[in-house]
Formats: sequence, C-alpha cells, structure tokens
Amino acid sequence: DAGVIQSPRHEVTEMGQEVTLRCKPISGHNSLFWYRQTMMRGLELLIYFNNNVPIDDSGMPEDRFSAKMPNASFSTLKIQPSEPRDSAVYFCASSPSSGGAGGDTQYFGPGTRLTVL
Amino acid sequence: AQSVAQPEDQVNVAEGNPLTVKCTYSVSGNPYLFWYVQYPNRGLQFLLKYITGDNLVKGSYGFEAEFNKSQTSFHLKKPSALVSDSALYFCAVSPKKYKLSFGAGTTVTVRA
Repeated sequence: DAGVIQSPRHEVTEMGQEVTLRCKPISGHNSLFWYRQTMMRGLELLIYFNNNVPIDDSGMPEDRFSAKMPNASFSTLKIQPSEPRDSAVYFCASSPSSGGAGGDTQYFGPGTRLTVL
Repeated sequence: AQSVAQPEDQVNVAEGNPLTVKCTYSVSGNPYLFWYVQYPNRGLQFLLKYITGDNLVKGSYGFEAEFNKSQTSFHLKKPSALVSDSALYFCAVSPKKYKLSFGAGTTVTVRA
C-alpha cells in the first residue's frame, strides 16, 4: 500500500517567491492534516481537513499561507510570498476518521524540507 | 488546555539494555495517547496508542507503553534496545477530537 505521498521532497527558493507543497493522502482516508516542524517550535498543526472541507485553520501562521483540498486525493499548501522564517519541514498526514473522532491514528508523509533564502 | 511533556531531551543506552522514554500529559477528560518515531530525514511513524482498556499497550518493533492515570504518564519501553532504535521519539496526546499535541521529542541513542 502506498502511504502518504508528498512532493517535492526538497524545495529551495528565494524570499518573495511562491511555494506550493503537494500531498496525496492514503486512499480512503477522510481526514488530512498539514504540520510544520522546526527546531524552535517542534511540530505544529497548521490546518485540518475533513471530507475535503477545512475544519480548523487556526494554526495557519498568517495570510501568506493558504491550503486547499479540491478532492479526496489531493491537497496543496501554498506560501506566497515566502520568507526565510518559513524554512521548515512540512508534513502532511492522513487518518481514516470521517467525523473528527478521537483516537484515530494519523499517518505521516515523508515531508518537504523547505529552505527560503 | 492540553499539553504533553517529554522531560528528557536525550536518552543514551547500550545495546541490549532496557530503554525507557518518558512522557507525561496534562489534559482534561480521558485522553488518547500516542507514540511516534522519526528517523533522520523521514516522516513520523506510528508506534502505538492507548485508547482504553489494558494499561499496557504493545506496539511495533517490540515497543510497549504503560498508561498510568494517577501519575498522568505514558512511558515508552523496550526490554532490549537495538542500535537501529536510535531515532527521535515523540509522545502525543489527543482529547476526544482530531487534534494531536506533540511533545518536544526525545533523541534516543543506542550505542553498540
């Protein structure tokens, strides 16, 4: 079985450029999460989708960040314009839950390492 | 408010010795508790979780964890550590909703 797929695995860009990160969740999973991992702040939940609908975006840092899930098999996280402080590893995760139930295991992708110069 | 603490940044053990990675939590209600492991340049891999029932939970790669409600702890254990267990370990807590709150992580080094 394919796990969560993320692309690209590495992204290096210059400040001010637009960055788009992509995620394909595990087939049949109804929940999708975007996380950011930094040394200073650890793992932070950015946004949570359930059945393709954004349920909780309280973790999105600012308006420069946006996320979409146009269908059950694809999601994007966009940063425009990017800044050096956005440098981090961005993870996508999915879980089977269709109702936001607790206790569901989240399965993580390999991450995208973003460097903004 | 919910939080999870991993009091040790690093744990060092010799191969073949028992391994313990500590985790305490602070949540209202009955939490769901998780352990994940992260190898270098990889995503987080699920090890085990506690939902209800037996306080001793067995997971992948020979790991187990014990839920202790009175001490609000969920320590990860392995009776005999391997060099390949060297990684970053995260404890996470979830109330009865989707959110996972992760600890800061504990780096485990198992020396040969």
